[in-house]
Amino acid sequence: DGGITQSPKYLFRKEGQNVTLSCEQNLNHDAMYWYRQDPGQGLRLIYYSQIVNDFQKGDIAEGYSVSREKKESFPLTVTSAQKNPTAFYLCASSIPSGRESEQFFGPGTRLTVL
Amino acid sequence: DAKTTQPPSMDCAEGRAANLPCNHSTISGNEYVYWYRQIHSQGPQYIIHGLKNNETNEMASLIITEDRKSSTLILPHATLRDTAVYYCIALNSGNTPLVFGKGTRLSVIA
Repeated sequence: DGGITQSPKYLFRKEGQNVTLSCEQNLNHDAMYWYRQDPGQGLRLIYYSQIVNDFQKGDIAEGYSVSREKKESFPLTVTSAQKNPTAFYLCASSIPSGRESEQFFGPGTRLTVL
Repeated sequence: DAKTTQPPSMDCAEGRAANLPCNHSTISGNEYVYWYRQIHSQGPQYIIHGLKNNETNEMASLIITEDRKSSTLILPHATLRDTAVYYCIALNSGNTPLVFGKGTRLSVIA
């Protein structure tokens, strides 16, 4: 099956620890995105990447880091510098060709920092 | 990208049509109107998009006013599984980051 996988579904970490969230896609999409969602709110963009080895900061990149070494993988690291990391994290991908394109989302990782 | 405005919540009886409005009065001529929905605790799902003409697919219909300042997403026969938050997004290109507002929480009632 083609799609986007995020693991784990639930993640618990102690305050001050870095944690890496996995995002893998087998859709052969060039563009990938990370969004954060807080309760009752819409999604906000953390980072995105239009091509391998290149990525751009989104609106709330502080305290996060990413890498894009492979087309199918776009891991997100939540560092100890992120002041309020508890949230629902969503990864997405799309084909950056033409202006009419839909984004495909993974099932999300719910991170709780204790 | 143009700002969109949606009602915070709506109810719809099961089997009836759900009509979800969206205002995008500042939309520019080359911006598309995209609709996504998010079922509780899941990732958003693409529904439909349009530029000027009305569009229909297997999930929904999109009606865009002639002046393009507003649109309506229509779910022709709502089911309980359509209960979700629906997001209307105006953007120049679908393969750029999406800007989500708070959307409309649609509750389909049996």
